[in-house]
Amino acid sequence: EVQLVESGGGLVQPGGSLRLSCAASGFTFSDHYMDWVRQAPGKGLEWVGRIRNKASSYTIEYAASVKGRFTISRDDSKNSLYLQMNSLKTEDTAVYYCARGLHSSVWYFDYWGQGTLVTVSS
Amino acid sequence: DIQLTQSPSFLSASVGDRVTFTCRASQGISSYLAWYQQKPGKAPKLLIYAASTLQSGVPSRFSGSGSGTEFTLTISSLQPEDFATYYCQQLNNYPITFGPGTKVDIK
Repeated sequence: EVQLVESGGGLVQPGGSLRLSCAASGFTFSDHYMDWVRQAPGKGLEWVGRIRNKASSYTIEYAASVKGRFTISRDDSKNSLYLQMNSLKTEDTAVYYCARGLHSSVWYFDYWGQGTLVTVSS
Repeated sequence: DIQLTQSPSFLSASVGDRVTFTCRASQGISSYLAWYQQKPGKAPKLLIYAASTLQSGVPSRFSGSGSGTEFTLTISSLQPEDFATYYCQQLNNYPITFGPGTKVDIK
């Protein structure tokens, strides 16, 4: 059974940092692209970024709203995905989801974690 | 960035109704579109990808169509468990973007 479990969320002050983790199981993690998506309270879904698999050289894409502040990484030996968030702003407050890529010409998001809440507030 | 608009924003319907949602892209995205269902407090669930391919395990009452800039998601007979918010998503270009959602409520 595919499982994605996020952790690391919490309350942080503006300008602070936080590192989210996503533990994957039930599939060959190294084969898949992985994404982060966030959802502010009561709002819609916003893509944060993507890290490709080893076959695609682990290249990364970011949304403009987080580029330069957030860093996505992965450790295939630990079946884990990470999101390092620096210089956090109040508008980064959201539930953060990790999602697995499903390849069909492009990479869709077929499994999602349960999410972890990040609150940026003083 | 490619903008996605969804209509309607809100839909009130009854069990057994046939409902159709529309997603329009600000520029052509071929068939690189997905539909997700999200219930309150839960993660989104993939329903349709590549505009019309039903994800494994998703009931056949869900169907998708379209290409280019206009796409539809149809539920042939609305069931109680289908009351949720539906989002479209484009993966033709970066940044990947989502539509604002259509919320389906019980009439």
